[in-house]
Amino acid sequence: DAKTTQPPSMDCAEGRAANLPCNHSTISGNEYVYWYRQIHSQGPQYIIHGLKNNETNEMASLIITEDRKSSTLILPHATLRDTAVYYCIVRPPFSGSARQLTFGSGTQLTVLP
Amino acid sequence: EAGVAQSPRYKIIEKRQSVAFWCNPISGHATLYWYQQILGQGPKLLIQFQNNGVVDDSQLPKDRFSAERLKGVDSTLKIQPAKLEDSAVYLCASSKPGGGETQYFGPGTRLLVL
Repeated sequence: DAKTTQPPSMDCAEGRAANLPCNHSTISGNEYVYWYRQIHSQGPQYIIHGLKNNETNEMASLIITEDRKSSTLILPHATLRDTAVYYCIVRPPFSGSARQLTFGSGTQLTVLP
Repeated sequence: EAGVAQSPRYKIIEKRQSVAFWCNPISGHATLYWYQQILGQGPKLLIQFQNNGVVDDSQLPKDRFSAERLKGVDSTLKIQPAKLEDSAVYLCASSKPGGGETQYFGPGTRLLVL
C-alpha cells in the first residue's frame, strides 16, 4: 500500500477553516484516499474518501491534487468538537484483505477557543 | 441504527493472566475486524473475518492471541497469557458485505496489563 505523510500536529481557531495536508506520492492510479478521525477515547470515525475528483459531504471537503500525490482535508468551520487525530489512508479498490485500513500516526488537530 | 458494541470498556489484569473481549457488530455487517491501538500510535489490524471465516490473521500473535466469530455475528478476542506489551486499546470494527467502503468502529476496550 502507498504510504502517507502527515504533520504530527496542527492548531486551528474555532470558527475558522482547518486545512489538514497529506502527502501520498507513491499512490497508484486506482487507489482511493480515505480520511478518518479519532476523538479522544473513541473509535475512529469515517469522514470522507475520494479517487480523483474533489469531494464534499456534510462533514468536510477533500481536495486531491491533479497528480494525486497529495490531498487536503478541509473542515470549513472548525468547532471544539473537531479536536481529534485525523488519519489519511490510501486504500486499493480490491476486495478481501486488500481492502484493509492501514493507519499511520495521523495529525493531532487542536481547535482553540 | 445501533453501532458496534464492545465490552468490557476497561480491563486491568496481571501479566500471565488471560482476558477476553467481546464485539457485537452492526446488524447485517458481514465483515468484522479487530485492531490493536498502542498509546500514541494508529490502530493496527490483528484479524479480519468475513462472516465466520478468517480473511487475514497475518498480524495476530497466534502464540497468545485467538479470535473467533461463531455464527458470523458476535466475535471474541482472547489473550492468554497476557504480557505487559499487550496494554493497549482493542478496537472492533464492521463493514457491509464485500468489505464495503466504510468501516464502523466500536468504542474499544482499554486493557492494562500490570
